[in-house]
Amino acid sequence: AQKVTQAQTEISVVEKEDVTLDCVYETRDTTYYLFWYKQPPSGELVFLIRRNSFDEQNEISGRYSWNFQKSTSSFNFTITASQVVDSAVYFCALSGGATNKLIFGTGTLLAVQP
Amino acid sequence: DAGVIQSPRHEVTEMGQEVTLRCKPISGHDYLFWYRQTMMRGLELLIYFNNNVPIDDSGMPEDRFSAKMPNASFSTLKIQPSEPRDSAVYFCASSGRDRPFEQFFGPGTRLTVL
Repeated sequence: AQKVTQAQTEISVVEKEDVTLDCVYETRDTTYYLFWYKQPPSGELVFLIRRNSFDEQNEISGRYSWNFQKSTSSFNFTITASQVVDSAVYFCALSGGATNKLIFGTGTLLAVQP
Repeated sequence: DAGVIQSPRHEVTEMGQEVTLRCKPISGHDYLFWYRQTMMRGLELLIYFNNNVPIDDSGMPEDRFSAKMPNASFSTLKIQPSEPRDSAVYFCASSGRDRPFEQFFGPGTRLTVL
């Protein structure tokens, strides 16, 4: 069975702090994809990144970076120098095998205080 | 190109009434997904289509829920009769054949059943 665990329910930081959101996944598939989505207070789901299981290179996009480690089944997301606009719920998701189904974690609510 | 379009954005109805949610996927996308988001269950996939054909409807909660995709540019999710526990945000998402695992979400329909 596939499962995504985001153990951190809520995180509160002060602006300019770095913050890491944890994601641990379970799957028996050898080919799978991992995702992060952002859901700001307005409610829409915004795609941030996709990573496939064969590519363990870490990725950086501006203040965002992602650390994929197959050995620990983790796909963590770091925001450097956080800003108030980063306040949102962040979802980690998994898709694999022959299906396009996205299995979402329960989300982490990030509150960045000014 | 316009993103995924959903209507209505908000729907308030009374228990027992029929509710129809609508979705227009991104042009050229051949996968369409319906998700439901609640506080209790988080984000869960209800059903998805490929080339207008339902592929996996295992997430549809019960027979009161039905979904159709009569053509490549339109899908409906119908609840009949509606119940208070159906209150949720319903998201539609689509993805293309070239990147089937990258789903783009619509703004969602917030359904309240009184």
